[in-house]
Amino acid sequence: GENVEQHPSTLSVQEGDSAVIKCTYSDSASNYFPWYKQELGKRPQLIIDIRSNVGEKKDQRIAVTLNKTAKHFSLHITETQPEDSAVYFCAALSGAGSYQLTFGKGTKLSVIP
Amino acid sequence: GAGVSQSPSNKVTEKGKDVELRCDPISGHTALYWYRQSLGQGLEFLIYFQGNSAPDKSGLPSDRFSAERTGGSVSTLTIQRTQQEDSAVYLCASSLASSSRGEQFFGPGTRLTVL
Repeated sequence: GENVEQHPSTLSVQEGDSAVIKCTYSDSASNYFPWYKQELGKRPQLIIDIRSNVGEKKDQRIAVTLNKTAKHFSLHITETQPEDSAVYFCAALSGAGSYQLTFGKGTKLSVIP
Repeated sequence: GAGVSQSPSNKVTEKGKDVELRCDPISGHTALYWYRQSLGQGLEFLIYFQGNSAPDKSGLPSDRFSAERTGGSVSTLTIQRTQQEDSAVYLCASSLASSSRGEQFFGPGTRLTVL
């Protein structure tokens, strides 16, 4: 089955700096890679996603890059703000009609004002 | 429209008791998932439903865990003879039956505490 590794487990940045979270996956058939943000005590919410036919996707201060050859993808947050503080999870959806997302263990991001 | 809802929001039970957790998915979503999230941990997949059938039960930790879904909508996760290690937040998610996207919408979770 799919295995997703996520690094780092914790990340602290100064407000205004950039943050990068990296994930690797094992199943070359995986074709969909979402990122979820979970604020303390709340449900995970999708913030951005990318499909395997695209190398990069950007939405305002958030971007995701995908390297299919190396089987890794990354989340980039620029101009970080205190409200970006949360736990971020990457995930991979295996191909062949699978519906099961395999999640990384999460990265706790702290943005220091 | 309404999002995914779960009940109860919190459940405290004694070791050895059975518990039932309920999930109401978004209307029209045929795929439903249960996850377990222990304190400070990631999301552990438990079970997936497509309609009323569960093609993938591989994540259920033991035979004390079971789940059903009726009418292609509401799902119930049952834990029998609860143990302290079952304490966690149980999250439900639903999605449209489209493997090309797979976006899952999560409920608020049920926090289970086994004393």
